[in-house]
Amino acid sequence: SYELTQPPSVSVSPGQTARITCSGDALPKKYASWYQQKSGQAPVLVISEDSKRPSGIPERFSGSSSGTMATLIISGAQVEDEADYYCYSTDSSGYHRGVFGGGTKLTVL
Amino acid sequence: VQLVQSRAEVKKPGESLRISCKGSGYNFPTYWITWVRQMPGKGLEWMGRLDPSHSYTIYSPSFQGHVTISADKSISTAYLQWSSLKASDTGIYYCARHEGVVPSPPGGLDSWGQGTLVTVSS
Repeated sequence: SYELTQPPSVSVSPGQTARITCSGDALPKKYASWYQQKSGQAPVLVISEDSKRPSGIPERFSGSSSGTMATLIISGAQVEDEADYYCYSTDSSGYHRGVFGGGTKLTVL
Repeated sequence: VQLVQSRAEVKKPGESLRISCKGSGYNFPTYWITWVRQMPGKGLEWMGRLDPSHSYTIYSPSFQGHVTISADKSISTAYLQWSSLKASDTGIYYCARHEGVVPSPPGGLDSWGQGTLVTVSS
């Protein structure tokens, strides 16, 4: 079955840029979206269609995609950005079956 | 846009269960709904997706045959159902709405329910 691969953890100091990657064979043809999940809360969409930022999401969140890798970029990470981040996309079966990456724990300290 | 899920449940192995997800603030039948599982301390798992207007469903191979996803568009509610629960079904279950209206391919998940905790224990 189709898989998306993320690093288990990323650590940055406050004010630094955090980059979280997501790799998958279908990403050249499929959009990726990104979700932030803080402890005990439901996930929140932070980036859709590779690079679109929903209203209400801080400008420091951005996304890009090239080839088989999508990247979530947090420019000037804040302590409140510490959370688990998940990428999501669909497979190339024609049924658009969804798949999440394994998640990345972002530590900002 | 709001998705409100049913309360937490405690069940025994072998029992049946149906949990719900009620949408409001938008035209419920025209947006895909997805169900997501999160086992304790683990990541998000895509279970399946529903077109509420036509009751068309597509499942992850990991969940096919073990759960049933359905909807009653007349009351803007989606359901996730088990006929025989296992202890390994313990987790939090989220419903979420996809961007983009049916029949366009589903986009990102722009609105989430608060989650329903299901505990299966003898």
